[in-house]
Amino acid sequence: DQQVKQNSPSLSVQEGRISILNCDYTNSMFDYFLWYKKYPAEGPTFLISISSIKDKNEDGRFTVFLNKSAKHLSLHIVPSQPGDSAVYFCAASWGTSGSRLTFGEGTQLTVNP
Amino acid sequence: DVKVTQSSRYLVKRTGEKVFLECVQDMDHENMFWYRQDPGLGLRLIYFSYDVKMKEKGDIPEGYSVSREKKERFSLILESASTNQTSMYLCASSRNEKLFFGSGTQLSVL
Repeated sequence: DQQVKQNSPSLSVQEGRISILNCDYTNSMFDYFLWYKKYPAEGPTFLISISSIKDKNEDGRFTVFLNKSAKHLSLHIVPSQPGDSAVYFCAASWGTSGSRLTFGEGTQLTVNP
Repeated sequence: DVKVTQSSRYLVKRTGEKVFLECVQDMDHENMFWYRQDPGLGLRLIYFSYDVKMKEKGDIPEGYSVSREKKERFSLILESASTNQTSMYLCASSRNEKLFFGSGTQLSVL
C-alpha cells in the first residue's frame, strides 16, 4: 500500500507565481517529513523538512505546511522560477525507522517563463 | 559536501546475467540505502544497511541482494537479471533522516 501519496503527477505554473505541491500520508506514526527535488540525470537533493511538532517551516522561497489532523503536507514555492522545474518527492519517516524514508510518487513541476 | 558515487551511469545487461551496482560514500555515514525509481511509483526501498556487515530488507527486496564489507561501500547485486528490473537505481547515505543520493545508474535488462 502507498503510505505516502502525491496525487498530482504534474503541475505547471507561470514564473513569479506560487507553486503548491501536495502530499498525503496514511501512517499516523510518521513524525518527520521531507521534500526532495530531482533534476533529470541527477540524484534527488534535500530541499526542506518539518517535524510533526511544527505546522510550518520556512526556508527562503520554500515553505512546508503540515496538517496532522488531515495527514496532509504541502510545499509552497514563492515566487516560482524556471530553475525550479524538477520532480519533487515528498518523504516521511518515524522515530524507530531511523533514516528509512518512505517516498511518494513524485510531482513534475514545470515553471514557464 | 557529501559525495555519493555510483560506479556506472548507464548499464545494459542481458536477462539472466549477474549484475553488480557499486556505491561509495565519503562522509563516514553509518546508513546506506538502495532505491529504485520508476515512473508513477516514486522511489522504492530495496535494501538498507545501518552498519558494516549489516543488511535489512526494504519494501521490494525480491531478486536482489546486497553486500557491505566496508563502511563506505554498499553494493547491490541482481542475482539473475530480469527485464522487470530495468530501472533507475539510486544509492544514498545518511547519518540521520537527511539522505544524500548518488546520481543514479540507469540499468536496462534486455
